[in-house]
Amino acid sequence: ETGVTQSPTHLIKTRGQQVTLRCSSQSGHNTVSWYQQALGQGPQFIFQYYREEENGRGNFPPRFSGLQFPNYSSELNVNALELDDSALYLCASSFGGTSGRGETQYFGPGTRLLVL
Amino acid sequence: QQQVKQSPQSLIVQKGGISIINCAYENTAFDYFPWYQQFPGKGPALLIAIRPDVSEKKEGRFTISFNKSAKQFSLHIMDSQPGDSATYFCAASIGADKLIFGTGTRLQVFP
Repeated sequence: ETGVTQSPTHLIKTRGQQVTLRCSSQSGHNTVSWYQQALGQGPQFIFQYYREEENGRGNFPPRFSGLQFPNYSSELNVNALELDDSALYLCASSFGGTSGRGETQYFGPGTRLLVL
Repeated sequence: QQQVKQSPQSLIVQKGGISIINCAYENTAFDYFPWYQQFPGKGPALLIAIRPDVSEKKEGRFTISFNKSAKQFSLHIMDSQPGDSATYFCAASIGADKLIFGTGTRLQVFP
């Protein structure tokens, strides 16, 4: 186990709704990255937060947004849910040092989101 | 430029055999190449990682071979065991974060 926890484990929403997923990072880590893993695919980078600021973003629309809190936990928010948003959402924590360039990323178990 | 191509998609190996999974990348700025193992219902777990200043790294039964000129790297699992049955992902990044993952290889090891 990595010490990275995510909640909830499973979630069912309908198209057009909004969802918030939560992640608690491993002790000592100040960087959180979020990934989307569609069924049968590799994880895709959504964005990263370092010291409460967004530190890089993948090819995802603005309706995917996030927050990082002073204790380095993080939230992923998705507005106007679409059917294609159904996936496993993974959070990974790492120690970014002073430059924001991370070391090894440790993944949580993920939140499985189903959009109907 | 940002893609990481992984093969094969699936692999069946007899217990005790060698499992080999290959990846290729395009972006020469990548400087960190990890392999992750994922069991059903779990998040990916780091197995082993390599940086381009070495051509091989071994940890237990797992070895990464890295060919910088060919922009390829591979995972070798020696003495494969049924407990190794999982999906394996290669990845690449600049500076160990914002990982670009391959599409995954489903490994099945039969006794």
